[in-house]
Amino acid sequence: SQTIHQWPATLVQPVGSPLSLECTVEGTSNPNLYWYRQAAGRGLQLLFYSVGIGQISSEVPQNLSASRPQDRQFILSSKKLLLSDSGFYLCAWCGGTHLSPLHFGNGTRLTVT
Amino acid sequence: DQQVKQNSPSLSVQEGRISILNCDYTNSMFDYFLWYKKYPAEGPTFLISISSIKDKNEDGRFTVFLNKSAKHLSLHIVPSQPGDSAVYFCAAVLSGSARQLTFGSGTQLTVLP
Repeated sequence: SQTIHQWPATLVQPVGSPLSLECTVEGTSNPNLYWYRQAAGRGLQLLFYSVGIGQISSEVPQNLSASRPQDRQFILSSKKLLLSDSGFYLCAWCGGTHLSPLHFGNGTRLTVT
Repeated sequence: DQQVKQNSPSLSVQEGRISILNCDYTNSMFDYFLWYKKYPAEGPTFLISISSIKDKNEDGRFTVFLNKSAKHLSLHIVPSQPGDSAVYFCAAVLSGSARQLTFGSGTQLTVLP
């Protein structure tokens, strides 16, 4: 069966520091991969998605970037964090047909101080 | 511009009764709709979905209804249980897209024992 791993679970970083969040998927090949963010009291906002290695689409211009160095690995990065980057970051994957649901990891709670 | 809206931020229901969560959308190009359940500090869990070619899909205690002319969908939970207490998100997928989900802002369901 497929599983998705996301780490770390929580992270506290100072303003101006770099960020790297990693997500890996097991048990499937060539998945679509996604990064979402949930700000406090808000819904889930799509940040990036990828349909293949090295293919990244950005939905919202911001201080973050994403990379997909391997088929089942998706990384969210920032060179210099802002206070507004605080939030709950979720990685997700889907595969198969158009009617396949997205499956989410357990998320990373990022607090920028 | 919110394309998927959940206008009720919260809902309280007595155990054993029916819970009805509502969702409206504006983009007629959405062709697949999903409901997710989310507990604090966890990723959303997929519950049930419906394709735009159907008007109803049922899975155990969960039923999703789609009214395309009204651009409205609803999730019915019968009977409601205390373990159903969580935030429920509806989400939609654009036809021909890479299955990026557009989420509503969520409804906090509380089932009272």
